[in-house]
This record gives sequence, structure tokens and C-alpha cells, in this order.
Amino acid sequence: QVQLQQWGAGLLKPSETLSLTCAVSGGSFSAYFWTWIRQPPGKGLEWIGEINHSGSTKNNPSLMSRVTMSVDTSKNQFSLKLNSVTAADTAVYYCARGLYGDYSGILDSWGQGILVTVSS
Amino acid sequence: DIQMTQSPSSLSASVGDRVTITCRASQSISGFLNWYRQKPGKAPNLLIYGASSLQSGVPSRFSGSGSGTDFTLTISSLQPEDFATYYCQQSYNTLLTFGGGTKVEIK
Repeated sequence: QVQLQQWGAGLLKPSETLSLTCAVSGGSFSAYFWTWIRQPPGKGLEWIGEINHSGSTKNNPSLMSRVTMSVDTSKNQFSLKLNSVTAADTAVYYCARGLYGDYSGILDSWGQGILVTVSS
Repeated sequence: DIQMTQSPSSLSASVGDRVTITCRASQSISGFLNWYRQKPGKAPNLLIYGASSLQSGVPSRFSGSGSGTDFTLTISSLQPEDFATYYCQQSYNTLLTFGGGTKVEIK
């Protein structure tokens, strides 16, 4: 049973950099895409981007210039950095496992989510 | 971007009711449509993938149908744990997009 455990700073000031990490246990790390999703309070879900085990990434163009994703295969972890945050970036951030091939884009396991608040 | 529109945005129902939620895509997405249930304060959970395939471990009261632009999620007999928000999501395009959600509340 795969588990995704995520952590990172929950309170940021405007212009700071959001930094989150997600650790994967109980399953293959190389056979999936590793995805970040966010959800502003009381609102819907927004796909941020994904990374595979070799570091190949795809990002949402709406955030692309501010997003950096990385992967550490030695620890089965992947990370998200979002720079120059504003109040509009306040959201619960989820990591998730995405399937490959014909099932690409299906998110079958999720982390617990972290609320990141941007406030001065 | 492919826009996903869900209806209704909320509904009230009772335990045992049959519930249907609709999702419409702004362009054809073939059968690349997935459904998630999100309980309050929790992460979304995959219910249906590929428009109609039941995810392992998901109760058979959930079913999905549709192709092209119009899709449906049906809960045949609503259970207490099904009072939650449901999201559709297209995986036709690399830029994954979600519907706005349908909140199922207790009548």
C-alpha cells in the first residue's frame, strides 16, 4: 500500500518561497509521475505540475515561471518550490501519484495535504 | 485549457437515494475522465477512471458513464460516508483540469 507523506512550512510572507517535500513509501518510485495539486480554501482543485523519477517535468503554464520541481530517487522523495508567493497562493497543497501510459493523468494516491498560508 | 463544468454545484439527498452528477468538457476528451470523492478536511480519493472503470476497493454503488464531452457519476444508494464533494477531472490533456465540484449534503 503506497503512502505519501508531505511536509513543509505552513506560513509564509509575501514574496517568500514556498517549499514542500513529499516522501513515497510502499511502492515503486520509478513507475509513476509525481504530481502537485493545490486547493484554495473553499475552492476547487488546480494541477500545478508533475515530475518523473528522471526529473522530467510538466508544469501548469499559469504558474510555470515560478515553479521548480525536483526529485531525490535515493530517498524516494520529490519536492516543490514556488517563488514570489502572494495571498493568492494560499491553499492546501497535495502531492499525488499519477499513472503512466494509457492511464496517464489518473491520480490514484494522495498525500494528506498541507495548508500553506501567505500573509504579512 | 480544457474547461470542466459540473452540475449541480450542490444537492441535498437522503441515505438510500440514487444520486447523479454530471460533468461536461469544453471539447471532446474521449473517455479520459476520472471522478474523485473528497470528504471534509481530507484529500480527494479516486473512484472512477476512464469514465467507467471502478477503482480497486471502491464500492460497487459507484458507477460512471459517458464519452466525448458528457459524463455522469451515479451513486445507486447513498451511504452516510458519501456526503462529500465530488470532482471530475480530465486526463485527455497533459494540463490536467478539474470540475468545480458537486457538494452532496444531507437532506
